[in-house]
Amino acid sequence: AQSVSQHNHHVILSEAASLELGCNYSYGGTVNLFWYVQYPGQHLQLLLKYFSGDPLVKGIKGFEAEFIKSKFSFNLRKPSVQWSDTAEYFCAVNPKGGKLIFGQGTELSVKP
Amino acid sequence: SQTIHQWPATLVQPVGSPLSLECTVEGTSNPNLYWYRQAAGRGLQLLFYSVGIGQISSEVPQNLSASRPQDRQFILSSKKLLLSDSGFYLCAWSSTSGSRNEQFFGPGTRLTVL
Repeated sequence: AQSVSQHNHHVILSEAASLELGCNYSYGGTVNLFWYVQYPGQHLQLLLKYFSGDPLVKGIKGFEAEFIKSKFSFNLRKPSVQWSDTAEYFCAVNPKGGKLIFGQGTELSVKP
Repeated sequence: SQTIHQWPATLVQPVGSPLSLECTVEGTSNPNLYWYRQAAGRGLQLLFYSVGIGQISSEVPQNLSASRPQDRQFILSSKKLLLSDSGFYLCAWSSTSGSRNEQFFGPGTRLTVL
């Protein structure tokens, strides 16, 4: 069965630290890839997406993600986190023609 | 622009009582609609999806059902709630054009069954 795995359940960082959240999926075909973010008390919203082309994708608020097809990975990165980045982050994968499959989520806490 | 509404925002219900959660979308036509349940540490579990009026696909056998009486209205129901139905329920929509399946989420309903 297709699955998405986020290896970090809870990450705690200090402001200005660099961030990398891992995401791996199990599906051998073509996929669309997403990162969603849920800030405390807010809607789940799209952070960035990859459909095709340049595997390094830029999103909102300084986030980026890199699609590495050979590793079935789509890791999320930010060079310097802020307290306002405290949120839960979800990786999601959509096999072409299939449904959106979410990872378990990673809770990020940024200490001021 | 498109917006998605869910109500109620929070709900506390006794075991055995019925349930009706509503989701409506504005600003788009013939969307795909989805119901998810979000549990802490377990991500989002797809419960139902619909590609059109009256068309419902169930992903997980359970105590819940879904209906789509109008193009932009999606309802999650139960005849008798169980304690295990407690959770955070999210509605989402996506466009039917193309196959990119980018989904947009509503604010959610926090359901507590006592």
